[in-house]
Amino acid sequence: SAVISQKPSRDICQRGTSLTIQCQVDSQVTMMFWYRQQPGQSLTLIATANQGSEATYESGFVIDKFPISRPNLTFSTLTVSNMSPEDSSIYLCSVEARTGAQGIQYFGAGTRLSVL
Amino acid sequence: QKEVEQDPGPLSVPEGAIVSLNCTYSNSAFQYFMWYRQYSRKGPELLMYTYSSGNKEDGRFTAQVDKSSKYISLFIRDSQPSDSATYLCAVEEGGTSYGKLTFGQGTILTVHP
Repeated sequence: SAVISQKPSRDICQRGTSLTIQCQVDSQVTMMFWYRQQPGQSLTLIATANQGSEATYESGFVIDKFPISRPNLTFSTLTVSNMSPEDSSIYLCSVEARTGAQGIQYFGAGTRLSVL
Repeated sequence: QKEVEQDPGPLSVPEGAIVSLNCTYSNSAFQYFMWYRQYSRKGPELLMYTYSSGNKEDGRFTAQVDKSSKYISLFIRDSQPSDSATYLCAVEEGGTSYGKLTFGQGTILTVHP
């Protein structure tokens, strides 16, 4: 298993500002993922972050808006840039632990972001 | 059409009831099937993981996959108030898409005493 800590747990931000969310895992992992969960919606994958390479973004998400860092095997950050009220959401990071072909994703508790 | 469609609920059942949660998916490339449970203000936690058609049982929980129909289900027996949560189905292609999960919309379940 993996224990994931996310900071901050919640924040209220002004339009036009940026927020950096931190994700710390208690063991070394190759792949880390960032998801968005909009109010009343399911989780949508934003990007996959591998250590030592640029993040891979899903359709509809761009690096300028959601820059990601992955400096080592236990840590990643997601920045939500130039925020608007539409960015109000829960942002979750996850890591994958694989046993053979079976991969299990463990999630952090999420960061609740409200943009005014 | 969404890749994964989940019965949205919400569901409200009495304690002890059998609960059935269902999802359908459109892409036959999906090979791995999961059910996550998410309590309020928490991240999702994995409940069940399957990769073949058939049933997988774990205590009060049974996951069922029918690849021919592209249909996945989660059954909860003897439901408890502590089962009250949002249940999310998720699918994964595997291969070069390892780790990239596609989630259903989630079903909010309330089990009342």
